[in-house]
Amino acid sequence: SQTIHQWPATLVQPVGSPLSLECTVEGTSNPNLYWYRQAAGRGLQLLFYSVGIGQISSEVPQNLSASRPQDRQFILSSKKLLLSDSGFYLCAWATPPDTEAFFGQGTRLTVV
Amino acid sequence: AQSVSQHNHHVILSEAASLELGCNYSYGGTVNLFWYVQYPGQHLQLLLKYFSGDPLVKGIKGFEAEFIKSKFSFNLRKPSVQWSDTAEYFCAVNPAFTGNQFYFGTGTSLTVIP
Repeated sequence: SQTIHQWPATLVQPVGSPLSLECTVEGTSNPNLYWYRQAAGRGLQLLFYSVGIGQISSEVPQNLSASRPQDRQFILSSKKLLLSDSGFYLCAWATPPDTEAFFGQGTRLTVV
Repeated sequence: AQSVSQHNHHVILSEAASLELGCNYSYGGTVNLFWYVQYPGQHLQLLLKYFSGDPLVKGIKGFEAEFIKSKFSFNLRKPSVQWSDTAEYFCAVNPAFTGNQFYFGTGTSLTVIP
C-alpha cells in the first residue's frame, strides 16, 4: 500500500532562517506531488505541484520554492523565512485523473 | 485559477439533526469532485469522491453527496449527525483530463452538540 511521510511534524524557526521540509512517498511510481498550506478560514492553498522529476509548477508567487530531486521526494524550501510563512504545510500525492489526493500528516511551522 | 466555494463557514447542529454543506466550483469542463474531513488533531481523510456515473455518491460514515452539473455544485449530506462528526470538511475539485491540480474550498467547521 502507498504511504506518505512528511517531516518534521513541528518546526520553530527564526525570521530570516532557511527552511527545508521534506516529503517522500512509498508504494507508487511517478505520482504527482503537491505542497499545500492550510490556514484557519482559508482552507488549503495549493503552493506547488510536480508531475515529474525536476518539474515544478508554482500556483502562488511567494517566498517559497519547491524541488523534486527524485521521483518520490518533494522538498519545500525557503532561503529566508518571513513571519507570514507561519502555517500548516501539507504534502500530498495523487495520480489524476484516476485517484484522489492522499495527504501526509503535515508540518506546523512557526516563524518567530 | 479555479475556485471552490464553501458558503457555510461554521455550522452548529444538535445530534440527530440533518446536515447539508454546500460546495460550488467555477470550472466549466469535466471535473472530479471530493469531500475530505479533518477530525481534530488528525490528517485529512477522504469522505467520498465522484469521478463519473451516478451523481449521487455514497461515502464513509453515512455521508453522501450529489453532483449537480448544471449548478456546478457538489453538496455533502448526512441524514443524522453524531457528536463524532465534529470536524472540518473540505470540498475539492480536480479538472479531469486537463489539469493536475486539486483545488480546495475554505472549509466548513462542523460542531455537533450532544
